[in-house]
Amino acid sequence: DGGITQSPKYLFRKEGQNVTLSCEQNLNHDAMYWYRQDPGQGLRLIYYSQIVNDFQKGDIAEGYSVSREKKESFPLTVTSAQKNPTAFYLCASSITGGINQPQHFGDGTRLSIL
Amino acid sequence: AQSVTQLGSHVSVSEGALVLLRCNYSSSVPPYLFWYVQYPNQGLQLLLKYTSAATLVKGINGFEAEFKKSETSFHLTKPSAHMSDAAEYFCAVRNSGNTPLVFGKGTRLSVIA
Repeated sequence: DGGITQSPKYLFRKEGQNVTLSCEQNLNHDAMYWYRQDPGQGLRLIYYSQIVNDFQKGDIAEGYSVSREKKESFPLTVTSAQKNPTAFYLCASSITGGINQPQHFGDGTRLSIL
Repeated sequence: AQSVTQLGSHVSVSEGALVLLRCNYSSSVPPYLFWYVQYPNQGLQLLLKYTSAATLVKGINGFEAEFKKSETSFHLTKPSAHMSDAAEYFCAVRNSGNTPLVFGKGTRLSVIA
């Protein structure tokens, strides 16, 4: 079955530590996205990538970094510069070139601070 | 840039009652609108999307939405709520061809037995 796999499902970070969230898709989609979800705030865009080796900042990119070395992979690193990293992180992908194309989502990673 | 506003962060209905979740968009040009559902600790699942082919769009799980240009609305409805409909619902809009979806803040639906 095609889909998006996020790992781990739960992640704990110590103060001052960088952590990396994994996102892999086998849908052959060109575009991939990272969103952050906090209660009552909906989904906020962190970074997105429309093609390998290229990515753009979203609305809340500070304290985060990404890479896109392979079409199927788009890992997100939460750096120590992100002062409030506790949240639910969602990865998504989509076909490019179609304004009515939906985004497909993984099951998320919940990050907590120890 | 276009945005969507979801009225009501929490809606509570009785089992068997009508479900109405509100979404208004801000645009002077035809938008491309989507409704998603999220169950606890899961990702988002597409319920339906508006593509301008028809103003009444039918989705999965018995949900439908009607695009009303005069009201700039795309409200989600279901005639009879089921306990399994309890979840969070998000309205989203795409501004242009290759841009990410922009989401509303979500509405949590509770269904009372």
